[in-house]
Amino acid sequence: GAVVSQHPSRVICKSGTSVKIECRSLDFQATTMFWYRQFPKQSLMLMATSNEGSKATYEQGVEKDKFLINHASLTLSTLTVTSAHPEDSSFYICSARAILAGGQTSTDTQYFGPGTRLTVL
Amino acid sequence: GQNIDQPTEMTATEGAIVQINCTYQTSGFNGLFWYQQHAGEAPTFLSYNVLDGLEEKGRFSSFLSRSKGYSYLLLKELQMKDSASYLCAVSIYNTDKLIFGTGTRLQVFP
Repeated sequence: GAVVSQHPSRVICKSGTSVKIECRSLDFQATTMFWYRQFPKQSLMLMATSNEGSKATYEQGVEKDKFLINHASLTLSTLTVTSAHPEDSSFYICSARAILAGGQTSTDTQYFGPGTRLTVL
Repeated sequence: GQNIDQPTEMTATEGAIVQINCTYQTSGFNGLFWYQQHAGEAPTFLSYNVLDGLEEKGRFSSFLSRSKGYSYLLLKELQMKDSASYLCAVSIYNTDKLIFGTGTRLQVFP
């Protein structure tokens, strides 16, 4: 099946620094990737939709200048948390929708990465 | 706005059957997903419903009623490893986005 990886799996940083999280689709191409944030014991909250070759689309309330998203290729999207603060500590998960043969996307093939646990001190 | 509700927590006994409900009020409804998520891990796909009715897949079944804005996930022959959070998510038409519900933490006891 399709595999999505994230790196790093865990990161601890000081307040005020920036952190980059990578999301890769390993065996398929993804024109669209999604970034979610999940606080303890809560559900996933969609932050933004990452589109290859164009600007990301952010959900209401998500600061685009704080959470920079770059989707440079069909297999890589990055999320950079700029000037991180303790309240940004969370579990960040990406997902990717697979492109099937013939260019058709299937609605049951959104694959999730293993997540990145960010702790800001 | 989008509103998706699930019970926060449920408990059940090993070998039993449990039904996890999900109600939704969304604009642009395209379909409904169920995901399983163990603590500290990413969600894994369980089922996808577009049309009304029951979809059965082994021990897990999922039901959808579009007119009622209602879905449920049915887990049979519960095992200890089924202890996890179960998330329902609505797919929004023409956007590819998934909007997740609040999630239900299920604990299975021996």
